[in-house]
Parts: sequence; C-alpha cells; structure tokens
Amino acid sequence: KAGVTQTPRYLIKTRGQQVTLSCSPISGHRSVSWYQQTPGQGLQFLFEYFSETQRNKGNFPGRFSGRQFSNSRSEMNVSTLELGDSALYLCASSFAAAGSSYNSPLHFGNGTRLTVT
Amino acid sequence: AQKITQTQPGMFVQEKEAVTLDCTYDTSDQSYGLFWYKQPSSGEMIFLIYQGSYDEQNATEGRYSLNFQKARKSANLVISASQLGDSAMYFCAMRVLGGYQKVTFGTGTKLQVIP
Repeated sequence: KAGVTQTPRYLIKTRGQQVTLSCSPISGHRSVSWYQQTPGQGLQFLFEYFSETQRNKGNFPGRFSGRQFSNSRSEMNVSTLELGDSALYLCASSFAAAGSSYNSPLHFGNGTRLTVT
Repeated sequence: AQKITQTQPGMFVQEKEAVTLDCTYDTSDQSYGLFWYKQPSSGEMIFLIYQGSYDEQNATEGRYSLNFQKARKSANLVISASQLGDSAMYFCAMRVLGGYQKVTFGTGTKLQVIP
C-alpha cells in the first residue's frame, strides 16, 4: 500500500509569492491534515479536511488555506509568502470515521521543505 | 488545551543498550491517545506506538514499549536493544476526543546511538 505522498519535496520561493503544496493520502483514508515544522515553533497544526470539508483549524493567518478534493487528495496554499513561512510542511492522513476518534495514528508523508528568500 | 513536555533535548545511548525517552502531558480531557513518532533526518514522521487513556496495559511494539503512568501523566518511550538506525528525533504526541486529527506534539528528543 502506498504511503502518503507529498509533492514537491523542495521549493524555493521569493517573499510575496504564493505557493501550492500537494498531498495524496493513503488509499482509503478520508482525513487529511497539515502541519508546519520549524526549529523555533516545532510542529504546529494548520488544518484538517474530511470529506472535502475543513473541520478543524489551527492558529495561522488567513494566508494559509487548503482544500480537499473528492478523491481525498489535498492541497495547501500559502499566499504572500513571508520569510517566516520557511519550514517543513507535513501532510498526514488517517482512517478517521465521520465522528472524532483519537486512537488512530496519523500517517505522515516525507514533507515539502519550503524556503522563502 | 493540551500540552506535551519532553525535557530531554538530546540523549546518547550505547548500541544494544536500552534507553528511556521522557514525556509528560497535560490535558483536562478524559479520552485521549498518546503517540510516539520517530523523525529521521529525511523528515518523514514514522508512527511507533500508541497508548489510549483507558488502556490498562502498557503498549508494546517490537523493541518499543510505552511506560504509561496515568496518575503522573507520563508516557515514556522505552527502546530496547538500541540500533544505529534508531538515531533520530523522537516526538511524543497527543490527540483528544473531539480534536479530530489535531495532534499536539512535544519539542522532541534527539537520540544518538553510539557504536
């Protein structure tokens, strides 16, 4: 079974630009979430999608947005990039039911390393 | 709100020895799950082991075991017979009922296995 696939692996962008990251979850997983990892702030939750609907969101500005498609693939968009957006962006999926469960592990992709210059 | 504390920024262990990575948590929720992840330098987060708040037995997965002490709110990871490939960052994490896929992570412990 293929794991979570994130593309691209590396990105270099300039301040003010926008970027779109892609994530394909494990087959059968309907829930996809995004995390930002930086040396200073650690791992922080961005948002989660289930059946094309955002059902949870972290404390990030509106420049960070996402969406999920009917095949559960997800994209994350960051507009008006700032230097502080340089980070490893991790996507995770899980076999989550419609209700909330806390006992299924998240399976992560290899991440997209974004550098903003 | 949930909080995970990992007080060991870095640790060394001799190959074939056992090592314990500390994790304490704080939550007012009664229903929660605790996870440990391994992150090699490649960046991928690898799920290692899970412990539910209502589980009475400590979880074990191969060389990994979780020492769960609910009253003390601790969930330490024990790695037995360390291998060179165990060198990585290790994160303790928590999910709570109602939090969906939101996971709260600790700051991590960098483990280095010495030959």
